Amino acid sequence: GAGVSQSPRYKVAKRGQDVALRCDPISGHVSLFWYQQALGQGPEFLTYFQNEAQLDKSGLPSDRFFAERPEGSVSTLKIQRTQQEDSAVYLCASSSRTGDSPLHFGNGTRLTVT
Amino acid sequence: AQTVTQSQPEMSVQEAETVTLSCTYDTSESDYYLFWYKQPPSRQMILVIRQEAYKQQNATENRFSVNFQKAAKSFSLKISDSQLGDAAMYFCAYGRNSNSGYALNFGKGTSLLVTP
Repeated sequence: GAGVSQSPRYKVAKRGQDVALRCDPISGHVSLFWYQQALGQGPEFLTYFQNEAQLDKSGLPSDRFFAERPEGSVSTLKIQRTQQEDSAVYLCASSSRTGDSPLHFGNGTRLTVT
Repeated sequence: AQTVTQSQPEMSVQEAETVTLSCTYDTSESDYYLFWYKQPPSRQMILVIRQEAYKQQNATENRFSVNFQKAAKSFSLKISDSQLGDAAMYFCAYGRNSNSGYALNFGKGTSLLVTP
């Protein structure tokens, strides 16, 4: 596709359920980032991939959060045993190479945990 | 850790007028990048303008320009000839190139309202 695609656009989960959020980056983009954006806040860094390697996961808030990018393209962010504080918009971004190339963001997935 | 502060939660401007959004940041690094992103209700973050810290010349992109004051760690965005389509959340962001790519630190945002 022409841009970064994220699915689903909206997700409602009951507390304790597991969820999986998908990101399709722009074809050929090496770098992929996940961000979490709470209501009324700016996005916060979660994790970074260079191809299939997860080089930085320092922003993941707990061990309930797990991200993967097994073939260096599509990435999945999984949240286990969701809690209400996990409610946020999850943004994915990709760029064509490492370094200072611009980030292209998707439209995000709005997760609501009830 | 690098922090980004946007002290204006909300700003308003009349169509065709000029508005300036403020941003300050804190860092001990000398090599970094600064960005302004626009986020409309669609939620997609759209890059408005970026500035490399090593460049003294302020970046400009059509109606958008920045005032980059490195010593003061200030990075304000000026929007000239404001248009209704400029209404959105605006986020200032700091990026540092590293072996982990460059994860951006964002401010809390400024909501820009454009009135006819």
